[in-house]
Amino acid sequence: NADVMQNPRHLVRRRGQEARLRCSPMKGHSHVYWYRQLPEEGLKFMVYLQKENIIDESGMPKERFSAEFPKEGPSILRIQQVVRGDSAAYFCASSPRGQGATVGGYTFGSGTRLTVV
Amino acid sequence: AQSVTQLGSHVSVSEGALVLLRCNYSSSVPPYLFWYVQYPNQGLQLLLKYTSAATLVKGINGFEAEFKKSETSFHLTKPSAHMSDAAEYFCAVSDLGDDKIIFGKGTRLHILP
Repeated sequence: NADVMQNPRHLVRRRGQEARLRCSPMKGHSHVYWYRQLPEEGLKFMVYLQKENIIDESGMPKERFSAEFPKEGPSILRIQQVVRGDSAAYFCASSPRGQGATVGGYTFGSGTRLTVV
Repeated sequence: AQSVTQLGSHVSVSEGALVLLRCNYSSSVPPYLFWYVQYPNQGLQLLLKYTSAATLVKGINGFEAEFKKSETSFHLTKPSAHMSDAAEYFCAVSDLGDDKIIFGKGTRLHILP
């Protein structure tokens, strides 16, 4: 969905490098959700953010992964010292306010496909 | 924790045949339920949602799903498959008051000519 913009679409990193994934939510949306998709495993929830706040990070790995959603600019998912197992598609979704599920579900971006070589 | 189980990671149906994709949820309290579709190299698109109103929910592209509390199921159906329906379909669930949506592992639908 072009209304939620993710970039880059494809990202290649060598083991040990940093990966930065960006997500610009739909206009008027203040809540962002990050998911990781591995083959045959569906989408795994990672983190839920509101502007300048992390609401729920229960799905984030304890090390190397961080996320932010500043007052200005896109949400960033940052992976430090990437390893082969980080290779996946990372999707961002947004909703206009909390209770995203009750509002009617999220609007998803087209994803960033990270390949670690 | 909430979860959904999708039976069958791959389903093949002939063009024009009935499509049935199965989904069971784990909660004893009726949650919110969703079906999303993902076309290759794209994000997910909402097909339909159940939010405790009518138990038969109609979505886009001719799909519908029926919430059955007694069976804890929310199966997705379409009377007549089109080639353009070939995609991956995800069932998802969210508890009341929870913004987080939990997805199943997906079912890839193949349409045979």
